[in-house]
Amino acid sequence: AQTVTQSQPEMSVQEAETVTLSCTYDTSENNYYLFWYKQPPSRQMILVIRQEAYKQQNATENRFSVNFQKAAKSFSLKISDSQLGDTAMYFCAFDNFNKFYFGSGTKLNVKP
Amino acid sequence: DTAVSQTPKYLVTQMGNDKSIKCEQNLGHDTMYWYKQDSKKFLKIMFSYNNKELIINETVPNRFSPKSPDKAHLNLHINSLELGDSAVYFCASSQETVKETQYFGPGTRLLVL
Repeated sequence: AQTVTQSQPEMSVQEAETVTLSCTYDTSENNYYLFWYKQPPSRQMILVIRQEAYKQQNATENRFSVNFQKAAKSFSLKISDSQLGDTAMYFCAFDNFNKFYFGSGTKLNVKP
Repeated sequence: DTAVSQTPKYLVTQMGNDKSIKCEQNLGHDTMYWYKQDSKKFLKIMFSYNNKELIINETVPNRFSPKSPDKAHLNLHINSLELGDSAVYFCASSQETVKETQYFGPGTRLLVL
């Protein structure tokens, strides 16, 4: 079975500091994609970053970067220089070329 | 420009009613999806259409019926609404079913009373 686990239901971070959100997944596939989505209070899902499993290099998108550990099936999201606008639910997602699987989400609060 | 739009944004209705949620994408994508996000924030895929053909149909009640008049639209019709149908429903689209990133609509919050 394909599953995605986010073990941190809620996290807080001070503005300008760095925070890491964890995600683990379970699959027997070798090729797949991993994503982090952000869902602000407006509820719109926004793609933050994506990682292709066959690429060893960790994806980076401005202040957002991932630590992809394929053997450990771990895909954490690091947010540097946190901003108030980063406050949102963050979902980790797994795409095995057939369908998407989402984690249960981590609520991130950025405090001023 | 709105990429993926859904109407209505909010829907409050009584048990037993029939309702529809519309989704449109102007990205030229050929695949569209419906997801249900429950109160615990779990996102579960319900349906996926590729070029107007159903390709994913998860185990959802028969009361839910997707309709795709063309590849830019995927509507969700729900018959005999139940309390447990209360959730946020997200529409999404992608260029391919396989590799491309999905773009989500803003969601429709359905409340069944």
